[in-house]
Amino acid sequence: GESVGLHLPTLSVQEGDNSIINCAYSNSASDYFIWYKQESGKGPQFIIDIRSNMDKRQGQRVTVLLNKTVKHLSLQIAATQPGDSAVYFCAEINAGGTSYGKLTFGQGTILTVHP
Amino acid sequence: EAGVTQFPSHSVIEKGQTVTLRCDPISGHDNLYWYRRVMGKEIKFLLHFVKESKQDESGMPNNRFLAERTGGTYSTLKVQPAELEDSGVYFCASSQVYGGGEQYFGPGTRLTVT
Repeated sequence: GESVGLHLPTLSVQEGDNSIINCAYSNSASDYFIWYKQESGKGPQFIIDIRSNMDKRQGQRVTVLLNKTVKHLSLQIAATQPGDSAVYFCAEINAGGTSYGKLTFGQGTILTVHP
Repeated sequence: EAGVTQFPSHSVIEKGQTVTLRCDPISGHDNLYWYRRVMGKEIKFLLHFVKESKQDESGMPNNRFLAERTGGTYSTLKVQPAELEDSGVYFCASSQVYGGGEQYFGPGTRLTVT
């Protein structure tokens, strides 16, 4: 079946560096991709999303890039801060049928930011 | 605005017992979702309510799981009887927009079946 996965399970960076978290997806019919951040003891928190008709979207300190040719999604965090330490999940939504709204998550990448 | 709340935060039960998890979505959110994360695996969808109706329950593992959302407000997820493989963290999320990816998650209920 469809799956969304991550290239790297862990990422360690120094405070102030830029971070890049990668994600591969297999369902070419996916039309909406989302990045979530999960801190310890909390549920996933929405960061940013991107529709399949876009290849880049920027937020505050974050940028999501979508490469549909190779089915690759990335999250770039600028000037990473210790508070960015968390598990980051990519997720996708496939429109159509009764499954619209169902998030399919990747396994997650642990980001650790060292002061 | 209060976020999504879940109760209990942690539950430890023995195999064969029954457990009921509760989720209170953000007020006004018609869409309510249940997900779970079993140890070492990714977060998996269980089901989706639109108001009190089950829109999609394709992720429910088996008939030991029963979700309800009477009145279209809070939801319960009952596991009866619980098995060891049901251990994990159960998340509830809600959203205002149908099909929206900006789902607001609760802190989760950690279920341990011994």
